[in-house]
Amino acid sequence: DIQMTQSPSSLSASVGDRVTITCQASQDITNNLNWYQQTPGKAPKLLIYDALHLETGVPSRFSGSRSGTHFTFTINSLQPEDFATYYCQQYDNLPYSFGQGTKLEIK
Amino acid sequence: QVQLQESGPGLVKPSETLSLTCTVSGGSISSYYWSWIRQSPGKGLEWIGRISYSGNTNYGPSLKSRVTISVDTSKNQFFLKVRSVTAADTAVYYCARSQYSTPPFGLGQFWGQGTLVIVSS
Repeated sequence: DIQMTQSPSSLSASVGDRVTITCQASQDITNNLNWYQQTPGKAPKLLIYDALHLETGVPSRFSGSRSGTHFTFTINSLQPEDFATYYCQQYDNLPYSFGQGTKLEIK
Repeated sequence: QVQLQESGPGLVKPSETLSLTCTVSGGSISSYYWSWIRQSPGKGLEWIGRISYSGNTNYGPSLKSRVTISVDTSKNQFFLKVRSVTAADTAVYYCARSQYSTPPFGLGQFWGQGTLVIVSS
């Protein structure tokens, strides 16, 4: 099974900051990776698919990149509504697996 | 716009069977894979398994021995059964549609709102 190691597990930042979250896959998953945002009491919302591509309607301050088995999720110029928990998720191999999550909190 | 809605009992007794239904509206259940995912209180997301419209299933390892996923295309519904539940099965259960109708299928943007199931006597 593919393990997704996500870091950090929590992060404090201020409005306007740039933040980066990473996920390391235990084996090659090509670009088969999603990034989700989850707020309390809500279902995860897809932000980035195929590692790089912005889901329709998602602000351009969100972006994703890949280097081998290392994936990066970036938010430029944090907005108040961005404080949430973020998850990476691979769909290259079954069983699908998620990172442990990163809770982004207001500093 | 595709919408998914979970339904079922919010309270299940230990050792009994948890049964949930996901009803799909705004689109056909055909041509995609349909997944169940759960999230224990304060924890991360766990993929339980999936089913195709034709009934082909795949399960994750942690629940594989206790889980059955089935589909009723005539009702645009798919189902989750977890047998012999314990308190560790207390979680919010989500249903979701695959991103793509062809491999690698994936998980996408269409999720239900989730339903909390508590296992307690």
